[in-house]
Amino acid sequence: LAKTTQPISMDSYEGQEVNITCSHNNIATNDYITWYQQFPSQGPRFIIQGYKTKVTNEVASLFIPADRKSSTLSLPRVSLSDTAVYYCLVGDPLNSASKIIFGSGTRLSIRP
Amino acid sequence: GAGVSQTPSNKVTEKGKYVELRCDPISGHTALYWYRQSLGQGPEFLIYFQGTGAADDSGLPNDRFFAVRPEGSVSTLKIQRTERGDSAVYLCASSSSTVYNEQFFGPGTRLTVL
Repeated sequence: LAKTTQPISMDSYEGQEVNITCSHNNIATNDYITWYQQFPSQGPRFIIQGYKTKVTNEVASLFIPADRKSSTLSLPRVSLSDTAVYYCLVGDPLNSASKIIFGSGTRLSIRP
Repeated sequence: GAGVSQTPSNKVTEKGKYVELRCDPISGHTALYWYRQSLGQGPEFLIYFQGTGAADDSGLPNDRFFAVRPEGSVSTLKIQRTERGDSAVYLCASSSSTVYNEQFFGPGTRLTVL
C-alpha cells in the first residue's frame, strides 16, 4: 500500500494561494492521487483526483510531476471557509480491493 | 440528490452494552465502507462491502465488531460489549463501481461509551 506524507499543519491568510504538498514515493503504476477535505463534525469530501501533470476543477488544482512521487494541491484565493483538514491518498480507482488509507492529514488554518 | 445518511447522529451508551449503527448509501452505489475516526486523527478503515459481501474486513479491531449489508444497500455496524475505547465517530462512505477512490461520506455517528 502506497503511503503518503504531508505537513501536519499550515497557516495562511484570506486571498492567498495555498499549496499543500504530499509525498508518495512508492506510488504504483495504476494508482491515482486523490485529495479529500474535512470540516469539523462532517465526513470527508472528495476534492480532486489526478494521475499525472495537472488537473483543475472549480475548487482546486492538482499538480503532479513526471515521476509522480509527489503532488501539490493548490487552493486559489483561500477564504476563511477553506479552514479544514486536507487528506492526500493514493490508490487504484478501478480496483475494488485497493484500500483507501487516510493519514493524519494537513490542518489548514486561514486567518482574516 | 440524497447523499449518504447515518443514524443515529449521536449515541451514548454504557460500557458493556450492544449498539447498532446504520448507514444508508447513495442509491446504486455497490461499494460501502465503514471507518472510525478518533479526535485529531484521519479516518481508520474498518470494513468494505462490495454488494452484499464483505470484501475486506481486515480493519475490524476484534470480534466484538461486526457489519452486515444483507440486501446490498443499507449496512449496519454492530458492536458488542462496548468499551470506553470504542468511543469515536463512525463514518460510512459509498462509491460507484467505476471510481472506487471517489467516496461519498455520511456525516458520521458519534459514539460515546461511558
